[in-house]
Amino acid sequence: QKEVEQDPGPLSVPEGAIVSLNCTYSNSAFQYFMWYRQYSRKGPELLMYTYSSGNKEDGRFTAQVDKSSKYISLFIRDSQPSDSATYLCAIRGSTLGRLYFGRGTQLTVWP
Amino acid sequence: DSGVTQTPKHLITATGQRVTLRCSPRSGDLSVYWYQQSLDQGLQFLIHYYNGEERAKGNILERFSAQQFPDLHSELNLSSLELGDSALYFCASSMGMIKNTEAFFGQGTRLTVV
Repeated sequence: QKEVEQDPGPLSVPEGAIVSLNCTYSNSAFQYFMWYRQYSRKGPELLMYTYSSGNKEDGRFTAQVDKSSKYISLFIRDSQPSDSATYLCAIRGSTLGRLYFGRGTQLTVWP
Repeated sequence: DSGVTQTPKHLITATGQRVTLRCSPRSGDLSVYWYQQSLDQGLQFLIHYYNGEERAKGNILERFSAQQFPDLHSELNLSSLELGDSALYFCASSMGMIKNTEAFFGQGTRLTVV
């Protein structure tokens, strides 16, 4: 079993839709959670970071962590064509531990 | 701009050759991570350095090696290159403190082996 599982999609939604992206992880010791956005072979850009269960909101983005289910989500409200990218979840178990990445979900938002 | 600098941006070289990729972490970050991303593949973890010392190894080939210098910049050395080594190579840096453990990526080095 991989440490992090993420549905690769692709996911295609109309502009203005609410997008839900999800990852599951296997190790309950993981405690730091990140979401990255990667445009067409550019460097992954950090979107959201949290180290606790619950929700964290930043503009149109909400990150949700459920440690009891080992499930993390990223919600994008009022999606825009500029949100079209690959979204990667990343998890680590300690401050100096390596990052485990999901495969990434390819999202297209059409006008 | 993430603050992580990678050079060169592009590299084209022949099979059998050796190249060095360079990464300068964000100011204050002690950890450097190297990742490989091939076409249609996810990010493959190669190696992690913290304050000059190797902390963890992932799927790094024996032909590849890395080091982190006293000024905290890092280099990834790839030798006896094969066509299959063509990929994007990213480095990421992190402070490694409890409330500052997120990692920031550079823009990558695109390596093409011909």
